[in-house]
Amino acid sequence: DAKTTQPNSMESNEEEPVHLPCNHSTISGTDYIHWYRQLPSQGPEYVIHGLTSNVNNRMASLAIAEDRKSSTLILHRATLRDAAVYYCILRDNYGQNFVFGPGTRLSVLP
Amino acid sequence: NAGVTQTPKFQVLKTGQSMTLQCAQDMNHEYMSWYRQDPGMGLRLIHYSVGAGITDQGEVPNGYNVSRSTTEDFPLRLLSAAPSQTSVYFCASSYSYRGPYEQYFGPGTRLTVT
Repeated sequence: DAKTTQPNSMESNEEEPVHLPCNHSTISGTDYIHWYRQLPSQGPEYVIHGLTSNVNNRMASLAIAEDRKSSTLILHRATLRDAAVYYCILRDNYGQNFVFGPGTRLSVLP
Repeated sequence: NAGVTQTPKFQVLKTGQSMTLQCAQDMNHEYMSWYRQDPGMGLRLIHYSVGAGITDQGEVPNGYNVSRSTTEDFPLRLLSAAPSQTSVYFCASSYSYRGPYEQYFGPGTRLTVT
């Protein structure tokens, strides 16, 4: 399985943008980049995914480097509810399990 | 849709006891999986299923059995509970094993083995 590397923790102020980085230098051409987050005492929830182009949805934006060896999850205005562990996961489009690493613990300060 | 449901929410077992954690989804999803999450850790895959009648082992399958007799249900059986199995267990489902489909997670079962 291709590996991802994320910072252990990050901090942000409320209502400011947050950029969560993920490195995946061994990504293959058929790997999608998925982001999930886990709020305290809850199961993970889907945030966003992409293959090559940048993606936007109501929760976040995903910026993918041109060589696809890194990506950044962007929360445009952090709220206290965004405090969670964020997981960056690579998954082959032809069939593969999700492999969760330790993720990045995001703290949001009021 | 209820999504992915898990029962029970909490369970305490004595060493050596057996039990079944229930998982059900009402989205007609093909792919289902079980994870465990130990304190401060990421999720580790126990078993998964790509369709009714088909199951396979994940990263940490020892001490657990699964079956998938219907599309909706994917129970996880602890054969003889050990303190090392104290963890939070999450069930998840996805439309398909292939393709960029999101996984939906249940609320979890918090298991303590004494």
